[in-house]
Amino acid sequence: DIQMTQSPSSLSASVGDRVTITCRASQGISNYLAWYQQKPGKVPKLLIYAASTLQSGVPSRFSGSGSGTDFTLTISSLQSEDVGTYYCQKYNSVPLTFGGGTKVEIK
Amino acid sequence: QVQLVESGGGVVQPGRSLRLSCAASGFTFSNYAMHWVRQAPGKGLEWVTIISFDGNNKYYADSVKGRFTISRDNSKNTLYLQMNSLRAEDTAVYYCAREGGPYGSGSFHAYWGQGTLVTVSS
Repeated sequence: DIQMTQSPSSLSASVGDRVTITCRASQGISNYLAWYQQKPGKVPKLLIYAASTLQSGVPSRFSGSGSGTDFTLTISSLQSEDVGTYYCQKYNSVPLTFGGGTKVEIK
Repeated sequence: QVQLVESGGGVVQPGRSLRLSCAASGFTFSNYAMHWVRQAPGKGLEWVTIISFDGNNKYYADSVKGRFTISRDNSKNTLYLQMNSLRAEDTAVYYCAREGGPYGSGSFHAYWGQGTLVTVSS
């Protein structure tokens, strides 16, 4: 099975900072990658699919890139409401594995 | 709007069974594959199982294969998860989730229910 590795596992940044989270697949998955945001105590929310397509209603400060094995989620200007845990997920084939998550906090 | 409402969670002893339900509304349920995803307390997300839009294809994570069964009733717009031989490590919030596109065109989870907590404990 393909493994999904996220880094870092946690980060602390200031409001307005540019934040980058990476996700690496153990084998190529083309662009079958999604990113989710889970705020504390809340249900996960889809941010990005097909590696770089922004889900409707998601702020444009979020962006995704990558293909094959290496992917990136970028928050161009971190806001206080972006605090939470971010997960990548591959969906090219079962099992639809999630990454371990990246916890984002405000410094 | 899309709505997914899970039910059936609770406290159950190890080795016993439980059936979860997910009532769907706001979209044509019979056009979409559906998933169950779980999250153990304080842990990350774990994909559990998927059922195709017509119910003919089902796949499971290795951790639940042979113990859990996913099913659906398109006439009732309802998704089910039958969980047998439950273990302590099955303790989690269980979410049902709808795919992003119809007929298997996008297996990411575009919509999620609020989740139902299953606790396996003696």
